[in-house]
Amino acid sequence: DVKVTQSSRYLVKRTGEKVFLECVQDMDHENMFWYRQDPGLGLRLIYFSYDVKMKEKGDIPEGYSVSREKKERFSLILESASTNQTSMYLCASSLWGELTGNTIYFGEGSWLTVV
Amino acid sequence: GDSVTQMEGPVTLSEEAFLTINCTYTATGYPSLFWYVQYPGEGLQLLLKATKADDKGSNKGFEATYRKETTSFHLEKGSVQVSDSAVYFCALAGGSGAQKLVFGQGTRLTINP
Repeated sequence: DVKVTQSSRYLVKRTGEKVFLECVQDMDHENMFWYRQDPGLGLRLIYFSYDVKMKEKGDIPEGYSVSREKKERFSLILESASTNQTSMYLCASSLWGELTGNTIYFGEGSWLTVV
Repeated sequence: GDSVTQMEGPVTLSEEAFLTINCTYTATGYPSLFWYVQYPGEGLQLLLKATKADDKGSNKGFEATYRKETTSFHLEKGSVQVSDSAVYFCALAGGSGAQKLVFGQGTRLTINP
């Protein structure tokens, strides 16, 4: 089975802290994604990557950056956390070119609270 | 750009009731359509999918038909159970050629015994 692992399930950080959310997948997928989930807004794409060192902005990239140094790992970085970044963050992966006939696989999510 | 609109929740039903969660979409090209489910405290799981018009996706008693003429992909189940309580997300992919999913806002479903 495909496994997408998010290293932290629950985090509490202070305003202004730098926050790293890590995600690892074990199926050699080219595509990796970071979404945030908020009630009433569904899932919104922050960034995605289709190859090592490649990244593209999603719908809400402001306040975030990403890093993909290895194919299996995709990190989301909050350079200076703010309270409006309190949310559930979901990582996902998929094969390149398979999305229309295949699926994205999701991690269990990371609940981030910024105080 | 591509978008997905779901009926607003929350939805509360009694066990064995009939369920419909409406989903409509706007997309260029020929997207694939998905329903994902999120059980309490968990990530998203694919529930069912359809990749072309008139396809019917089905799983665990749920089904949805890809209707191009009405740009809809409504989720239905004939007899819900308490264990179906979850948040359901409609999504599309590939409409604009992008390698990503576009989600609706989610519908929280609660089934009472």
